[in-house]
Amino acid sequence: DVKVTQSSRYLVKRTGEKVFLECVQDMDHENMFWYRQDPGLGLRLIYFSYDVKMKEKGDIPEGYSVSREKKERFSLILESASTNQTSMYLCASNLGTGWNEQYFGPGTRLTVT
Amino acid sequence: GESVGLHLPTLSVQEGDNSIINCAYSNSASDYFIWYKQESGKGPQFIIDIRSNMDKRQGQRVTVLLNKTVKHLSLQIAATQPGDSAVYFCAVRRMEYGNKLVFGAGTILRVKS
Repeated sequence: DVKVTQSSRYLVKRTGEKVFLECVQDMDHENMFWYRQDPGLGLRLIYFSYDVKMKEKGDIPEGYSVSREKKERFSLILESASTNQTSMYLCASNLGTGWNEQYFGPGTRLTVT
Repeated sequence: GESVGLHLPTLSVQEGDNSIINCAYSNSASDYFIWYKQESGKGPQFIIDIRSNMDKRQGQRVTVLLNKTVKHLSLQIAATQPGDSAVYFCAVRRMEYGNKLVFGAGTILRVKS
């Protein structure tokens, strides 16, 4: 079974803090994704990576950056957290280009106060 | 731009009945249409996909119907069970955009015993 793990289930941070969300997959997948999920808005893509050190912006990259130094690990960074970044963050991975099936982690509920 | 929407935010069905979850999409250039299921406290899980050159695809207890004329997608669940209670998301993918999925807002399915 594919396993995608996220470093925290719940996180509370203060406005202005730098926040790191970590994601690890154990199936040697090429692609990794970061989404945020908000009620009524579904899942929105923040960034994705198709290879180590490679990344592409998604639909809502503003205020976020990412890092992929190793194939199995994809980090989402909030350089200076703001209250409007309070959300559920979901990481996903899949085999590569052309695959519709993405494997999701359980999510991190981030609250910025 | 791309948008994917749903007709009903919440659907309640009796256990054993069939469920139909609907989704409308805006971009006729979409190549794949995908359904995901998200149970409480978990990340979304892939259910089934259908390519744009098909109008029906069946899986285990699920059928996806695609009507390109009216840009409508539906997921039918036969003999709905309590374990089917979840949020269901439709998503679309265009091959020219590679790995990017655009998700709808989601429909809550509640199964009454």
